[in-house]
Amino acid sequence: GENVEQHPSTLSVQEGDSAVIKCTYSDSASNYFPWYKQELGKRPQLIIDIRSNVGEKKDQRIAVTLNKTAKHFSLHITETQPEDSAVYFCAASPSSNTGNQFYFGTGTSLTVIP
Amino acid sequence: SQTIHQWPATLVQPVGSPLSLECTVEGTSNPNLYWYRQAAGRGLQLLFYSVGIGQISSEVPQNLSASRPQDRQFILSSKKLLLSDSGFYLCAWSPLRGSGDEQFFGPGTRLTVL
Repeated sequence: GENVEQHPSTLSVQEGDSAVIKCTYSDSASNYFPWYKQELGKRPQLIIDIRSNVGEKKDQRIAVTLNKTAKHFSLHITETQPEDSAVYFCAASPSSNTGNQFYFGTGTSLTVIP
Repeated sequence: SQTIHQWPATLVQPVGSPLSLECTVEGTSNPNLYWYRQAAGRGLQLLFYSVGIGQISSEVPQNLSASRPQDRQFILSSKKLLLSDSGFYLCAWSPLRGSGDEQFFGPGTRLTVL
């Protein structure tokens, strides 16, 4: 089955700096890669996603890149703000899935220092 | 619009006691449904998913079970809880397609087994 690894597990940045979180996946059939943000005690919420036919996607301060050959994808947050502090999860979803199953990374706890 | 509910919000149970967590979705039909467990400081582990009434797929062996008695109802159960069952249980739904759709999470149930 699919195995997703995520690094780093914790990340601290100064407000205004950029943050990068990296994930690798094992199943070459994976074709959908969502990123979720989870604030303390709350439910995860989708912040951006990318499909395998696209190499990069951007939404304001957030961008995701995908390298299918190397089987890795990354989340980039620019001009970080204190409200960006949260746990971020990457996931991969193989096209062979019958139920749109996601396989999540272990999460990155991001702290933005004011 | 679609909403997803989980109850109870918190639960404290003794080791060896039974468990029943409920998840319901409103505003959609034929959703895929999922149960995840999130241990303290850990990632999201997919436990079960369902693509239709009575159809349950298990992702990991454990002492938990799931049922889907109605189209928009998903139940997580155990006959005898273990200490290791403690965690944050999240239900999620997605539109009924093969792969590549966002999953929407419920508010979660925090389970403590003593």
